[in-house]
Amino acid sequence: SQTIHQWPATLVQPVGSPLSLECTVEGTSNPNLYWYRQAAGRGLQLLFYSVGIGQISSEVPQNLSASRPQDRQFILSSKKLLLSDSGFYLCAGAGQGVSEAFFGQGTRLTVV
Amino acid sequence: AQSVTQPDIHITVSEGASLELRCNYSYGATPYLFWYVQSPGQGLQLLLKYFSGDTLVQGIKGFEAEFKRSQSSFNLRKPSVHWSDAAEYFCAVGAFGGAQKLVFGQGTRLTINP
Repeated sequence: SQTIHQWPATLVQPVGSPLSLECTVEGTSNPNLYWYRQAAGRGLQLLFYSVGIGQISSEVPQNLSASRPQDRQFILSSKKLLLSDSGFYLCAGAGQGVSEAFFGQGTRLTVV
Repeated sequence: AQSVTQPDIHITVSEGASLELRCNYSYGATPYLFWYVQSPGQGLQLLLKYFSGDTLVQGIKGFEAEFKRSQSSFNLRKPSVHWSDAAEYFCAVGAFGGAQKLVFGQGTRLTINP
């Protein structure tokens, strides 16, 4: 079965500090990978998606970046966090073609 | 680009009552449609999906959804809700085979009255 591993579960970071959230996938090859952010009381905002190694599409111009150094690894980064970067970050994966997405358990990021 | 609208931000129903959560999508090609459920502080669990074929799809936990192309809708239903159904529900549309994007609606929070 397909599984998304996402860590850490919670993170408190000061404003201006860097960020690195990692997501790894098991049980499928060459998945499409996604980073979503869920702010308090709001829906899921698609931040980045990737259809292959080194291929990143950005949906929203912002303080964050993403990278896919390996087929099953997806990393969300920031050089300097802002207060507005606080939220619940979800990594998701989907098989190529027609397929549902499966999600990690999320990372709660609080920027203080 | 595809988009999803969930008109109801918050719905409250009594336990045992029927439920319908609305979802409208916008997409120029054949949509691939999903409903997910999220418990507080957790990831998302797939309830059901529509790719093609029968427009009434059955999912887990007694949920079903009906795809209506003429109305661009994919509403989620359950004949009798249980207290454990209280959660956030998300509708999503996928643009697979091309842009590979999966876009979600804003979600509907469901509260169950005892």
